Amino acid sequence: KQEVTQIPAALSVPEGENLVLNCSFTDSAIYNLQWFRQDPGKGLTSLLLIQSSQREQTSGRLNASLDKSSGRSTLYIAASQPGDSATYLCAVDNQAGTALIFGKGTTLSVSS
Amino acid sequence: SAVISQKPSRDICQRGTSLTIQCQVDSQVTMMFWYRQQPGQSLTLIATANQGSEATYESGFVIDKFPISRPNLTFSTLTVSNMSPEDSSIYLCSVEDPGGAYEQYFGPGTRLTVT
Repeated sequence: KQEVTQIPAALSVPEGENLVLNCSFTDSAIYNLQWFRQDPGKGLTSLLLIQSSQREQTSGRLNASLDKSSGRSTLYIAASQPGDSATYLCAVDNQAGTALIFGKGTTLSVSS
Repeated sequence: SAVISQKPSRDICQRGTSLTIQCQVDSQVTMMFWYRQQPGQSLTLIATANQGSEATYESGFVIDKFPISRPNLTFSTLTVSNMSPEDSSIYLCSVEDPGGAYEQYFGPGTRLTVT
């Protein structure tokens, strides 16, 4: 059974700092890995999608990497801003047409 | 990408009553999913809803408690029946965009409080 773990559970950093969020999964036979952002009481915003054949994806200040064989992904946020404060969720699916399996998330707080 | 709307955005309900949540997508999609997010927790899949077939429920979720309809390729409803305070959660629908990468998109969620 696929399990997704995210470390750390919470992170507080000053504005401007670069940071890394970690995600690991137990079954390396994934189809896609997605990183989401969730603001308190809100829905999910998709940040980055990495297909199983890819190694990384970039969007603005965000860079996500995938090491499928070791069951790990990292989300790198450059030059963090207070507006980045949110919960970041990592999720995988094992094949197209199936639901995502989520980690518990990392709650990020960026202070000005 | 797919744009998803949900109604209602939030509701406060009394125990023993039922609430139907609507999910509308701006394009035709095959796969729709319903998730629950209990306070302070991550998302848990309730069921997968395909148009024209019965929904498939995850362990711990039953059709009598969470009946789902999927009348067409752009719409689905989830009913939370005979509610108790333990049903207080955010309920989210999502779709898989088959246009290439099978990325999944989520609606804004329905925040349910049961008193």
